[in-house]
Amino acid sequence: GQQVMQIPQYQHVQEGEDFTTYCNSSTTLSNIQWYKQRPGGHPVFLIQLVKSGEVKKQKRLTFQFGEAKKNSSLHITATQTTDVGTYFCAGRGSGGFKTIFGAGTRLFVKA
Amino acid sequence: EAGVAQSPRYKIIEKRQSVAFWCNPISGHATLYWYQQILGQGPKLLIQFQNNGVVDDSQLPKDRFSAERLKGVDSTLKIQPAKLEDSAVYLCASSSTDSNQPQHFGDGTRLSIL
Repeated sequence: GQQVMQIPQYQHVQEGEDFTTYCNSSTTLSNIQWYKQRPGGHPVFLIQLVKSGEVKKQKRLTFQFGEAKKNSSLHITATQTTDVGTYFCAGRGSGGFKTIFGAGTRLFVKA
Repeated sequence: EAGVAQSPRYKIIEKRQSVAFWCNPISGHATLYWYQQILGQGPKLLIQFQNNGVVDDSQLPKDRFSAERLKGVDSTLKIQPAKLEDSAVYLCASSSTDSNQPQHFGDGTRLSIL
């Protein structure tokens, strides 16, 4: 069945450093969504990518969807302590109905 | 708009007991999801409803878990009997039409099995 893998599992950065998390699917995706979960909180939707090669930006966050629609990345420029949390990608398989979440990348930011 | 409401927030039971969780999605949202999130892992889809019909329940342990969404609005998830490995946060989410739309999550129910 469809699997969605994320790396790294954890990332410790100094405030001001950049951060990237990568998401890879075993099958072609129709879309990919990114969520952020703060410690003790619930996942909150960040963005959805649909088109092959799509790039979207939200302030310091840059999201990319691979040309083959099987991988994606989230890049944060100049991290801040407010960026702390776990970032999940969630992919919907082509022709499928359900969205599969990756295991997440937990970001720690040291001030 | 009001968010996804879940209750209770916390539940502690002994193994082999029963437990039920309730979810009220965002008004007008057709799709409702129940996820299990074990500490340190990503949410695992248990069941997905489209209105009051089941779209996917392939990962629902049907020998002990059941869920219903009568009238296509709120939903309940039940575990009977509970096992130690069921300790997790149970998240309910809803989206306006289907999984092509953003999912809005409730605060979850943290279940501890003793």
